Amino acid sequence: EAGVAQSPRYKIIEKRQSVAFWCNPISGHATLYWYQQILGQGPKLLIQFQNNGVVDDSQLPKDRFSAERLKGVDSTLKIQPAKLEDSAVYLCASSTDRWDTEAFFGQGTRLTVV
Amino acid sequence: AQSVTQLGSHVSVSEGALVLLRCNYSSSVPPYLFWYVQYPNQGLQLLLKYTTGATLVKGINGFEAEFKKSETSFHLTKPSAHMSDAAEYFCAANSGGGADGLTFGKGTHLIIQP
Repeated sequence: EAGVAQSPRYKIIEKRQSVAFWCNPISGHATLYWYQQILGQGPKLLIQFQNNGVVDDSQLPKDRFSAERLKGVDSTLKIQPAKLEDSAVYLCASSTDRWDTEAFFGQGTRLTVV
Repeated sequence: AQSVTQLGSHVSVSEGALVLLRCNYSSSVPPYLFWYVQYPNQGLQLLLKYTTGATLVKGINGFEAEFKKSETSFHLTKPSAHMSDAAEYFCAANSGGGADGLTFGKGTHLIIQP
């Protein structure tokens, strides 16, 4: 079974530029999560989707971050404009549904903002 | 809001010695609890989880953890450390009956001395 795919693996941008990350969850998984992992900290939930609807985006900085999952499969996370403090690993995870207690994580996208 | 505290950002043990990684949670309602492992440049892999039932949970790679409600703890142990256990370990909690995203601790870096 293929795992959660993320791209790109690495990205370096200048502050005030925009960037987008892509996630393809495990086939058939209805729930998709985006987490932000700053160096030396645990992952922090940014947004949770159930199919193409948002379940929780309370910790998403909506003035600069946006995410979508238009067809309930792939998802993109965008940052515009980026700040230095956005440097982090962005992890995507998926589970069969909201009530499934096991989420599978992708390898992440490491973003460096200079 | 719930929180997860991991005592010790770094733990060093000798190969063959007992591994003990500490995790405490703060929640008015006992949450579901998880331990994840992260190897360098990799995503998170689930080691074990506690949802309901038996409080001693066995996971992969010889790890186990015990849920102690009276101590609000969920410490991770392994009787005999192996060099391949060197990694970052994260404790996480979910208070939504499995329906919500995870709240992670800051992580513990496990170092195995030869």
